[in-house]
Amino acid sequence: AQTVTQSQPEMSVQEAETVTLSCTYDTSENNYYLFWYKQPPSRQMILVIRQEAYKQQNATENRFSVNFQKAAKSFSLKISDSQLGDTAMYFCAYSYRDRDDKIIFGKGTRLHILP
Amino acid sequence: DAGVTQSPTHLIKTRGQQVTLRCSPKSGHDTVSWYQQALGQGPQFIFQYYEEEERQRGNFPDRFSGHQFPNYSSELNVNALLLGDSALYLCASSLPTRDTDTQYFGPGTRLTVL
Repeated sequence: AQTVTQSQPEMSVQEAETVTLSCTYDTSENNYYLFWYKQPPSRQMILVIRQEAYKQQNATENRFSVNFQKAAKSFSLKISDSQLGDTAMYFCAYSYRDRDDKIIFGKGTRLHILP
Repeated sequence: DAGVTQSPTHLIKTRGQQVTLRCSPKSGHDTVSWYQQALGQGPQFIFQYYEEEERQRGNFPDRFSGHQFPNYSSELNVNALLLGDSALYLCASSLPTRDTDTQYFGPGTRLTVL
């Protein structure tokens, strides 16, 4: 069975600093997607970034980038120049590369950006 | 273009009662998935509907059931509510194309069972 593990329950960083959130996963599949979702206090789950396992190049979205290590089954999220609005729960998630397969989430990392 | 919408926003029920939650997918989306998110936890997959049929199901008892309508909107029904059913219920919809396995989430319904 696929599992997603986030080992950092909570983190705090100063505004404008860079922060890295860790995630490991376990799967026997070769084709899959990995995601980072952000859930602010408003509860809306927002997709931050997506990585397709068959692509070796790490995905980037503005200040957000990932370090995807397929052999190590590691998928960390780096937030550069952190902003107060980045304060939220961050969930690492996995989905088998089939049409609309279920998403398996980690337990989340609560990130606080301090002014 | 409206995103995924859910109703109601909050709901309070007592043990043993039944509840129905509603979801309207993003325009153009035909697949709806439901997730339960307990406090302090990540969401857990309940089931998924496509073409008005349940296509996948997570590890949830039969008290959890659903329905999808011809306009792709969906309902989640929970019977014989337990205290442990208190959670945020998230609905997600996705595009009908194979290469975009991205689910877009609604704001959720907070269910409290007393």
